[in-house]
Order: sequence, then C-alpha cells, then structure tokens
Amino acid sequence: EAAVTQSPRSKVAVTGGKVTLSCHQTNNHDYMYWYRQDTGHGLRLIHYSYVADSTEKGDIPDGYKASRPSQENFSLILELASLSQTAVYFCASSELGGSQNTLYFGAGTRLSVL
Amino acid sequence: AQSVTQPDARVTVSEGASLQLRCKYSYSGTPYLFWYVQYPRQGLQLLLKYYSGDPVVQGVNGFEAEFIKSNSSFHLRKASVHWSDSAVYFCAVSQNSGGSNYKLTFGKGTLLTVTP
Repeated sequence: EAAVTQSPRSKVAVTGGKVTLSCHQTNNHDYMYWYRQDTGHGLRLIHYSYVADSTEKGDIPDGYKASRPSQENFSLILELASLSQTAVYFCASSELGGSQNTLYFGAGTRLSVL
Repeated sequence: AQSVTQPDARVTVSEGASLQLRCKYSYSGTPYLFWYVQYPRQGLQLLLKYYSGDPVVQGVNGFEAEFIKSNSSFHLRKASVHWSDSAVYFCAVSQNSGGSNYKLTFGKGTLLTVTP
C-alpha cells in the first residue's frame, strides 16, 4: 500500500527560527508536493518536484524552500519562520504529474510559530 | 483561472439519512474533478474522480458524484451515511491536460458530522 510519512507530526517554532519538515515516500513515485492547509481555506500548493535534485514553485512559494535529495525524500524549509506560517502542512506523492493522477497524502505536520 | 466553491462549511446529518455535499467549479474547458476525504488526524484520501465518460462516478464506501457540465457542478452523494463517514470532504479540480504542468485546486472543504 502506498505510504507517505511526514515528520515531525507537530512542531512549535519561534519566530525567526529555522524549521525543516520532512517527507518520505515508499511509493516509488516521481512527483512529490508540499501543501499548506489553513482553517477556512482549501489546500494550497507551496512547492513540488518531479525528479530528484530539482524543485518547482507552486502557488504560494514565498517564505519557503524545498529540497529533493532523492526520489523518496522531500523537505520543506522555513529559513525564517513567521507567525503567518502557522498551519498544517501536507506532503503528497503521485506516480505521474498529469491531471488524472491520484495524490497520496501524508498525515500532516501541525506547525505553530510563536 | 480555475476555482472551486463548496458553499457549505458544515453539514450535519443523522445516521442512515441520505447525503449531498455541494461543489461548484469554475473552469473554461472540461475539467478533471475529484473528491477527497480527510478523516481526523489523517491525510487526504481519494474518494472518486471524474475525467470522461459516464457523468455519474462511483467511489469507495458507497459514495458517488455526478458531473453536470451545464451547472458546473460535481456534487457528492451517499444514500445512507454511517457515523464513520464523519470527516472533512474536499472537492478539487484540475485542468484537462495530460502534461506535467497541471494545477490541482481545492475547495475549502465541508465538515460532515453524522449524528446517532
């Protein structure tokens, strides 16, 4: 069964600090994504990647960096965390990048920036 | 630009009752449409998707949805809900393209509560 694992599951960070969220998939999928979920909003795409060592900007990339060191791993980096980045972050993978493809999501990371 | 509207932020139904969760999309062409479900403390899971053919698509756990192009709608239905259906349901739309440069747009979600 497809599996996407995120760590940590929750984190409290201080304003201005560096935060790294990690994602690992065992699906052998080429595509990986980072989404942000805020109360009252749908999921919004931050960054995605379709091959190791390459990342692409999504709809809301400002304040975030991404890293894809291998097919299995995809990290989201907040160099200077801000209050507005408090949210739940979801990682997802898909076999292909086409519109028909199903996304497989991790359980999410709840980030609180204080 | 494509968009998705789920007009009901919260829906409460009794166990055994029928269910309809509404979704309307905005897209200039023929879209690909999805319903995802998020159970408590879990990530999203695909319920069903539509991209061509029969406008009524069947999903897991007895869910179905109907694509009505004239109304730009893709409402989710279930004949008889169970308490375990309590979750947040997201409608999503993507462009009808086989290329890699696609965009999946989610609605804000509808929180479904099934009462005894």
